[in-house]
Amino acid sequence: KNEVEQSPQNLTAQEGEFITINCSYSVGISALHWLQQHPGGGIVSLFMLSSGKKKHGRLIATINIQEKHSSLHITASHPRDSAVYICAVQGQGGSEKLVFGKGMKLTVNP
Amino acid sequence: ETGVTQSPTHLIKTRGQQVTLRCSSQSGHNTVSWYQQALGQGPQFIFQYYREEENGRGNFPPRFSGLQFPNYSSELNVNALELDDSALYLCASSWGREQPLHFGNGTRLTVT
Repeated sequence: KNEVEQSPQNLTAQEGEFITINCSYSVGISALHWLQQHPGGGIVSLFMLSSGKKKHGRLIATINIQEKHSSLHITASHPRDSAVYICAVQGQGGSEKLVFGKGMKLTVNP
Repeated sequence: ETGVTQSPTHLIKTRGQQVTLRCSSQSGHNTVSWYQQALGQGPQFIFQYYREEENGRGNFPPRFSGLQFPNYSSELNVNALELDDSALYLCASSWGREQPLHFGNGTRLTVT
């Protein structure tokens, strides 16, 4: 079992839909990152969080430390949101290693 | 635009050769990490440098090595290339070890 699991692996949505991407992890963490990767390969950091909830524009990220689970929500989805969304966790105790999930490929159709 | 530049963008090498990949970070970013991403997989942590010292390493053999320079630019060196080294290599920098990461666009390495 991978330390970081994402679901679903692929998702196709219609423009305007509300989208939820899930991430579960099995280790203690100091922080969790949500990243967006476009087909060219470049990665953009969306959120870094260690508790609670963060919001940026149409994106909301939540984390439940006790349940070892995080969600990324996209409201009013748009075709430009089409990308791979990756969850990565940073270990405790000063660990610098990020462990990544495999990513979830999102396609938003007009 | 993250301000993190990687070069080259694409590279083709032959098995057994050596390669150097470069990463130029944003000014003030004293921490840089390197990742390997195979096709269809999430990135794998190679190592991190903080203020020119290696500060953590993933499960990669010693033929993967790195350097961070006083201007915080960085290099990833891979010796004795193997076919399985074909991947996208990403660097990410930040201005602290527990700060948000800024990724470059990656170098796509193909080993034939």
